[in-house]
Amino acid sequence: AQSVTQPDIHITVSEGASLELRCNYSYGATPYLFWYVQSPGQGLQLLLKYFSGDTLVQGIKGFEAEFKRSQSSFNLRKPSVHWSDAAEYFCAVVYSGYNKLIFGAGTRLAVHP
Amino acid sequence: DAGVIQSPRHEVTEMGQEVTLRCKPISGHDYLFWYRQTMMRGLELLIYFNNNVPIDDSGMPEDRFSAKMPNASFSTLKIQPSEPRDSAVYFCASRRQGGTDTQYFGPGTRLTVL
Repeated sequence: AQSVTQPDIHITVSEGASLELRCNYSYGATPYLFWYVQSPGQGLQLLLKYFSGDTLVQGIKGFEAEFKRSQSSFNLRKPSVHWSDAAEYFCAVVYSGYNKLIFGAGTRLAVHP
Repeated sequence: DAGVIQSPRHEVTEMGQEVTLRCKPISGHDYLFWYRQTMMRGLELLIYFNNNVPIDDSGMPEDRFSAKMPNASFSTLKIQPSEPRDSAVYFCASRRQGGTDTQYFGPGTRLTVL
């Protein structure tokens, strides 16, 4: 079955530290990959997406993600975290020929001052 | 451009009452999706429409749930009768034609059934 795994439920980092959030998707047809962020009480906002081409994609708020087909991964990174980055982050995939976006369970990020 | 609009933002009702959630997608978007988010189950797709036609309702939990899209700018999700286990945040999302296009989410409706 098609699925997305975010192994880390909670992550805590210090402000200014680097961040990497992991995402693995089940192998299938060509994947199209997304990272969304959800602040408390808010809807989901798109951070970045990968469809094809350069496997390192840049997004909003200083985030980037790298697609690694050999590892079925699409990890999200940020070199220096700000307190305002505290939120929940969702990885999602849609496969070519399908319409449903499959979400991971999310990773809740806490930022210590 | 206005984003996806949902109303109400918060709804508190008593068990057994009918609840109607509303969504206005982004103009020009051909797909509309309804999701439910709970702590236990995360984000679940309930149903989606293409050009106002329901395409896949396999995520609708039971017959108490129904969704309609009478025109391209309006959709409703109805729960009748409501139960406490329906308490959740319900999101509407829309996107243009094309499977790889971005889904844009509304702010959600937080439903509490007492």
